[in-house]
Amino acid sequence: EAGVAQSPRYKIIEKRQSVAFWCNPISGHATLYWYQQILGQGPKLLIQFQNNGVVDDSQLPKDRFSAERLKGVDSTLKIQPAKLEDSAVYLCASSFSRGPYEQYFGPGTRLTVT
Amino acid sequence: AQSVTQLDSQVPVFEEAPVELRCNYSSSVSVYLFWYVQYPNQGLQLLLKYLSGSTLVKGINGFEAEFNKSQTSFHLRKPSVHISDTAEYFCAVSERWGIQGAQKLVFGQGTRLTINP
Repeated sequence: EAGVAQSPRYKIIEKRQSVAFWCNPISGHATLYWYQQILGQGPKLLIQFQNNGVVDDSQLPKDRFSAERLKGVDSTLKIQPAKLEDSAVYLCASSFSRGPYEQYFGPGTRLTVT
Repeated sequence: AQSVTQLDSQVPVFEEAPVELRCNYSSSVSVYLFWYVQYPNQGLQLLLKYLSGSTLVKGINGFEAEFNKSQTSFHLRKPSVHISDTAEYFCAVSERWGIQGAQKLVFGQGTRLTINP
């Protein structure tokens, strides 16, 4: 079974530029999550989708971050414009459905904003 | 709101020695508890989880954890560690009945386990 795929793995941009990350969850998984992991901290949930609908985006900085999952499969997370404090690893995870199902994580995208 | 405190940021241990990684949580509602492991340049992998029932939970790679409701703790243990256990370990909590059934994991800051030969 293929795992959660993410691209790119690494990205370096200058502040005020925009960037997009892509995630392909495990086939058949209805729930998709985006997390931000700043160096030395645990992951923080940014947004959760159930199929193509948003379940929780309470911690997403909506003035600069946006995410979509149009067909209930792949998802993209965008930052526009980026700030220095956005430097982090962005993790995508998926699970079979809502509830206490195991979340499977992708390898992450390491973003450096200079 | 929930919070998680991992009491040790780094734990060095000799190979084949026992280890305990400590985790305390704070929540005003009933919770689920999890331990995840993160190897270098990889995503997180579930080690074990407590949902209900027996307070002693066994996971993969010989790890186990004990849920202690009175002390609001969920410490992770392994009786004999191996070099390959070197990784970052995260404790996480989620509400049992989140909004719309959402499974919002709140993670601790992590404990770096280093196994020395």
